[in-house]
Amino acid sequence: KAGVTQTPRYLIKTRGQQVTLSCSPISGHRSVSWYQQTPGQGLQFLFEYFSETQRNKGNFPGRFSGRQFSNSRSEMNVSTLELGDSALYLCASSLQDPALNEQFFGPGTRLTVL
Amino acid sequence: KNEVEQSPQNLTAQEGEFITINCSYSVGISALHWLQQHPGGGIVSLFMLSSGKKKHGRLIATINIQEKHSSLHITASHPRDSAVYICAVRLSGGSQGNLIFGKGTKLSVKP
Repeated sequence: KAGVTQTPRYLIKTRGQQVTLSCSPISGHRSVSWYQQTPGQGLQFLFEYFSETQRNKGNFPGRFSGRQFSNSRSEMNVSTLELGDSALYLCASSLQDPALNEQFFGPGTRLTVL
Repeated sequence: KNEVEQSPQNLTAQEGEFITINCSYSVGISALHWLQQHPGGGIVSLFMLSSGKKKHGRLIATINIQEKHSSLHITASHPRDSAVYICAVRLSGGSQGNLIFGKGTKLSVKP
């Protein structure tokens, strides 16, 4: 069974641009969560989606948004990029409710904002 | 004060040593996770605990809900155990579903 895949793996953007990151969960998994990891703040929760609905959202500005499609694939979008958005963005999938099931992490997308 | 505190921040051990990493939290939780992150960024979920103790191979995780404390133990440590170990708690109540992470413990096991 294939693991969680994220595309692209690496991305370089400039300030003010927008970016879309993609996450394909393990087949059959219906929940996708997104996390941001920076050297200063560590890992922080961004969003959680289950069956195309956003169930939880972390404390991030409105420039960060996401969605989940009917095939459980998820995308996150960051608009008007800032230098501080440079980070490793990780997604994780779980079979059902991540509160009750193990999460499986993807390899991450490393975003650099210049 | 961070809601999830890990200690130590860095740990160097000799191969074969018994290792303990601690995690304390100050919020109400529904579950606690231990994660392992290798250089390069890949994260593996080691344990999800809501009570008691779990064991997987050389790894043991315990949680004391009353004391709001968890420990991750590695028996007979090996250089391949070198990684960052991260404790994360899942909030209970209105914010159920959100994960709050500790800053991680960087473990280096020398041969």
